[in-house]
Amino acid sequence: QVQLVQSGSELEMPGASVKVSCKASGYTFSNFAIHWVRQAPGQGLEWMGWINTNTGDPAHARGFLGRFVFSLDTSLRTAYLQITALSGEDTAVYFCARKTTGESGYLDSWGQGTLVTVSS
Amino acid sequence: QTVVTQEPSFSVSPGGTVTLTCALSSGSVSTNYYPSWYQQTPGQAPRTLISSTNTRSSGVPDRFSGSILGNKAALTITGAQADDESDYYCVLYMGSGSWVFGGGTKLTVL
Repeated sequence: QVQLVQSGSELEMPGASVKVSCKASGYTFSNFAIHWVRQAPGQGLEWMGWINTNTGDPAHARGFLGRFVFSLDTSLRTAYLQITALSGEDTAVYFCARKTTGESGYLDSWGQGTLVTVSS
Repeated sequence: QTVVTQEPSFSVSPGGTVTLTCALSSGSVSTNYYPSWYQQTPGQAPRTLISSTNTRSSGVPDRFSGSILGNKAALTITGAQADDESDYYCVLYMGSGSWVFGGGTKLTVL
């Protein structure tokens, strides 16, 4: 069955970087884009952007340009989210999700989420 | 900046019917935005309920239905149950490979 398994919780210092992984199984990895979604404590879901798992091309929501990097290791069937220059505002749960194909596509399978805590 | 608005909270009695909506800050929501709906309970990943306005995901009970009502996307729960108490989010496709989540609705069943 389709499964997305994310890496475990992270505790980082302000100014540091973090890399969250999202390992896919149960389907052809390159056929479905991976999207990233942020949820700050007590807040709603926020779409961050996505990466084309066939070409590696990323696309970012407006508020996630610059410090947020989407990447892949197709040999490992894994997508990554790297966040640099962390601040307390980056404390959140980060979800990866698989999107079905086409404009009408939707997020049909989700990772379990990775809590990133930024604190000194 | 496009804002997608949902009711912050809603309450429904067990067995009752509730309709949650999803609106655009400017303009009307149509099927061209391919609205989808997700359910989330605290500490859990979201669960997909509805895609492309009104297509239920596998395993989703038929008491959940999606539609366009006037100028908004809508999620209707008919015969609400206690375990429907969750947060509900809509997502709209804005074109050019861009999506936006609504702010979410906290549904209470009591």
